[in-house]
Amino acid sequence: QKEVEQDPGPLSVPEGAIVSLNCTYSNSAFQYFMWYRQYSRKGPELLMYTYSSGNKEDGRFTAQVDKSSKYISLFIRDSQPSDSATYLCAMAWAAGNKLTFGGGTRVLVKP
Amino acid sequence: DAGVTQSPTHLIKTRGQQVTLRCSPKSGHDTVSWYQQALGQGPQFIFQYYEEEERQRGNFPDRFSGHQFPNYSSELNVNALLLGDSALYLCASSLAYTGRSYNEQFFGPGTRLTVL
Repeated sequence: QKEVEQDPGPLSVPEGAIVSLNCTYSNSAFQYFMWYRQYSRKGPELLMYTYSSGNKEDGRFTAQVDKSSKYISLFIRDSQPSDSATYLCAMAWAAGNKLTFGGGTRVLVKP
Repeated sequence: DAGVTQSPTHLIKTRGQQVTLRCSPKSGHDTVSWYQQALGQGPQFIFQYYEEEERQRGNFPDRFSGHQFPNYSSELNVNALLLGDSALYLCASSLAYTGRSYNEQFFGPGTRLTVL
């Protein structure tokens, strides 16, 4: 079993819909939870990070962490075709530590 | 301000050969991490360099080795290439952990290695 599980998709939604992404993990030592966006042939780009449990909002993006359930989520409101990409969750034990990634979810937002 | 740069962009090698990939970190960053991303998978951590020393290592064989130079740039070397080494190799740079906040790892565009 992988440390971090993520549905590979693809997830296809109409423009303007809410995109809902999630990951589950098994290692309770993880303290930092990140969401990255990766466009084709590009490196991952950090969207948001959350320390420990709770919610965090940044513009159209909301990240949620439930450590008791070992479950994290990312919501994208008012989705745009430019949001079409692969979304990767990542986790770390400490701020400077290695990142452990999920397998990524491919998202397609149709105009 | 240039971000993380990697060279070469693409590389084709045959089984058994050796390869060297290069990374220049974002200006002001002193820590470099390397990741391997197979097609359709998430990146997997190879190792991290700080102050010219390997600080952390993932579950990769000794065929994978690295180096960090005094200017913080880094190299990833892979010996005795296998077909399974075909992947996108990503370099990420960051500031060493200061204990106050999370220091983002900025990723480069990667080097796509194909082993035939």
